[in-house]
Amino acid sequence: NAGVTQTPKFQVLKTGQSMTLQCAQDMNHEYMSWYRQDPGMGLRLIHYSVGAGITDQGEVPNGYNVSRSTTEDFPLRLLSAAPSQTSVYFCASRRGLSYEQYFGPGTRLTVT
Amino acid sequence: AQSVTQPDIHITVSEGASLELRCNYSYGATPYLFWYVQSPGQGLQLLLKYFSGDTLVQGIKGFEAEFKRSQSSFNLRKPSVHWSDAAEYFCAVYSGAGSYQLTFGKGTKLSVIP
Repeated sequence: NAGVTQTPKFQVLKTGQSMTLQCAQDMNHEYMSWYRQDPGMGLRLIHYSVGAGITDQGEVPNGYNVSRSTTEDFPLRLLSAAPSQTSVYFCASRRGLSYEQYFGPGTRLTVT
Repeated sequence: AQSVTQPDIHITVSEGASLELRCNYSYGATPYLFWYVQSPGQGLQLLLKYFSGDTLVQGIKGFEAEFKRSQSSFNLRKPSVHWSDAAEYFCAVYSGAGSYQLTFGKGTKLSVIP
C-alpha cells in the first residue's frame, strides 16, 4: 500500500491563480481531511469528507473548495490564491471507527 | 468546542535525560487523545493514542503517555532521550465517539543537546 499520497510536493503560485492539490489513498478509508499547518499554529482543519459525495467545512474553509467523487481521491481547490494561503497542506484519511488518521507527506505552497 | 493546549513552545534537553511534554485538553466527556511527531520537512507519525481503559499507554520509539482526567492532561514522557528524537510533537483530541474533527495543539519543538 502506498498509503496517503499528495501531489505536488512544492508549488509556487501568483496571487489570483487557481490550482488543485491532489490527495489519494489506497486503504479504502471512508474519512478524508485536509489540514493546513502554519508556524506556531499547529494543524487546522480546512474541509473533511465522510464518504464519496459528502463533504463539510472545518475550522478554516474560506478560499478552498473540495469534492469527493470517489473513495480514493479528495482534491483541494484554491479558487483564487492569496498570500495568506501560503502554508503546508496535509491530507489525511482514516477508517470510520478507528479514529487513527494517516497523513500524507504534505504539499508546501507559496503564494507570491 | 474542544481545545488543546501545549504550554511549552520549545524544550531543550540533553541526550540521555528524561523528557515530559505537557498537553491539556478542554472537553467535558472522555476524549480520544493522540500524540503525533513530525520530523523536519516530514509528515506526521502517530506515537500513541488513548481511547479508554488503562490510563498509561505505551507507544512507539519508547514513548508513553498518561491520561489524568482530574487534571485534563495527557502528558508524553520518555525516560532517556536520543538525538533522533529532536522533532516537533503535537497533541490532538477528538471530542469522543462519532467526532469528525481532530483538534491539534500548537506543538512543542524538542531540541536535543549531544
